[in-house]
Parts: sequence; C-alpha cells; structure tokens
Amino acid sequence: GAGVSQSPSNKVTEKGKDVELRCDPISGHTALYWYRQSLGQGLEFLIYFQGNSAPDKSGLPSDRFSAERTGGSVSTLTIQRTQQEDSAVYLCASSLARQVPSYNEQFFGPGTRLTVL
Amino acid sequence: TQLLEQSPQFLSIQEGENLTVYCNSSSVFSSLQWYRQEPGEGPVLLVTVVTGGEVKKLKRLTFQFGDARKDSSLHITAAQPGDTGLYLCAGSARQLTFGSGTQLTVLP
Repeated sequence: GAGVSQSPSNKVTEKGKDVELRCDPISGHTALYWYRQSLGQGLEFLIYFQGNSAPDKSGLPSDRFSAERTGGSVSTLTIQRTQQEDSAVYLCASSLARQVPSYNEQFFGPGTRLTVL
Repeated sequence: TQLLEQSPQFLSIQEGENLTVYCNSSSVFSSLQWYRQEPGEGPVLLVTVVTGGEVKKLKRLTFQFGDARKDSSLHITAAQPGDTGLYLCAGSARQLTFGSGTQLTVLP
C-alpha cells in the first residue's frame, strides 16, 4: 500500500481482556514506532524498532504492554489485562533509517481507537 | 524527562487573521519538527528545523527555531478554514518528544 495501515480502526473491549493491534508500515521503511495519544493531546512514545536491532522499549508504560515486529515488516502491539486508563488512540509510524541530528520523516497510520469498558 | 509545552492549547480565530503558536522547553533539542493532525488521521510532518535561529517558510506558514534550540514558533498568516487542525511540535532526542498540541479552529 501507499501508506501506513493499522487495524482494527476501532476496538472496544472489556476490562481485563487482552487486545492486539496491528501495523503495516510502508514497504522499505526499516524504522517503526508505536505511540499513544489521549483525546486531543500529544503523542506518547511507546516503542521503536530499527531493522534487526533490539527494540527501544523505554516508553512502554507497564509490563502489560509488549510489541513484536516480524520479518522486519508488520508489527503487533499487545496489551494484556486491559485497564480503563489504556483507552486511547494507538498510532503507528514508519520511516527510513534515522539520521543524526535530524530524524527522517515519520509517516503515521490513521491509528486504532481503543476503548476499554 | 524532556518536556515540550505548547501554547495556546486552544485557539479559535476568524478567517484572514494571523496567529502564532509557541513550543517551549528547558531542554536543548538537536532538531524540532512541526506536525498537523486532522480528526481520525495520524499527524503529517510540516517542517523540520535543525539550526538554531533557523527560519523556514511553507506558503503562509513560518517556522522559527530558537537560537538556543530550546523553543520554536509557528506563525500563520491570513489563516484559512483549511488550516484547522491539531498542531504538534516534536523535539528530537533519543526519541521524538511531542508537545501536547494546539487545537486551531479557523472560522469562515
């Protein structure tokens, strides 16, 4: 596809259930990011994948959150035992390899709106 | 923790007016990006500024990076309804640190 795609677009779940969110990055982009955005707020960094390097997990808020990137392409963000405070829009972005000092442009998907009841 | 504060948080103006949005931090960033986000979509990059004091223009939008690379501003001239959206600044450190955003509404 031409851009970053995410699925599902909306997810409603009950407190305590596990959820999986999927991200398909732009073909050829080696870097992949996950962010969380509360209503009308800025983005909170969660995790970053770059090629075959160990991911930067420094933004994950708790051990209930984990992410995988298989084959250097598709990524899945998993939230276990969801809580109401996990409700937010989860955004995925991809980019070419980062350069210092400025970042390559990150291309964002439309996000997955997660609602935990 | 590096924080970016944006002001104002909300801004509602009439078409044709000028406006300035500010992005401030106590930390130095190697670069700073501005994004615009529309409802139901992800942010879209508008500009990256790298050098202290740098000024970039994108049509009616003017972006400035502070001399000390701790702050930035976005000035829009003759705002149009199509400028409506959430404007986010993001500083480059280990990862991108995003500000909380300025929700701009331009009324026709």
